[in-house]
Amino acid sequence: QQQVKQSPQSLIVQKGGIPIINCAYENTAFDYFPWYQQFPGKGPALLIAIRPDVSEKKEGRFTISFNKSAKQFSLHIMDSQPGDSATYFCAASSGNQFYFGTGTSLTVIP
Amino acid sequence: NAGVTQTPKFQVLKTGQSMTLQCAQDMNHNSMYWYRQDPGMGLRLIYYSASEGTTDKGEVPNGYNVSRLNKREFSLRLESAAPSQTSVYFCASSWTSGLVGGETQYFGPGTRLLVL
Repeated sequence: QQQVKQSPQSLIVQKGGIPIINCAYENTAFDYFPWYQQFPGKGPALLIAIRPDVSEKKEGRFTISFNKSAKQFSLHIMDSQPGDSATYFCAASSGNQFYFGTGTSLTVIP
Repeated sequence: NAGVTQTPKFQVLKTGQSMTLQCAQDMNHNSMYWYRQDPGMGLRLIYYSASEGTTDKGEVPNGYNVSRLNKREFSLRLESAAPSQTSVYFCASSWTSGLVGGETQYFGPGTRLLVL
């Protein structure tokens, strides 16, 4: 079964909007939660990551919100730009075992 | 630094043929990984190597073998390719697990494999 559930599958926002992508997990042994950004024809690249001992992490326009009790975490993209159009993957890991969500295709309309 | 490199970029195989996907990293990372990416499935871990000389199964290891040739290189072998192995394969590397920031994985550009 899917270890990490991601939604929505696709998202379209206007420039300047704040897309939000959500992920949920079950395994409480997970201790590292990264988000990856992938452009067509390229490999995924780390965007931002969080550990479960903090509830929020911000890097530039990207923010992770983490709810340990609900076993959910989300990515917020502030002031979204057309260049943010890509596929975003959440992931969860314990040791060397990484589990990825199914991805969200984001389109930012100029 | 080239980062993580993969060869070939694209390959077409017939059912039953074998091939080896090559991966190399120049970041002196200890851990290396092989993933496959399929539409609607995200990335799934096939095998990983936590350090030189060790390999372990991931989520979907059946039909694959790996070799950690040295610290830099980690290859993935399909002994008898099947159409279900049509996918995009990504190699990744990381410094190590257990250290803050050490889990960051750096991905290669991918190998697109079509099995007919």
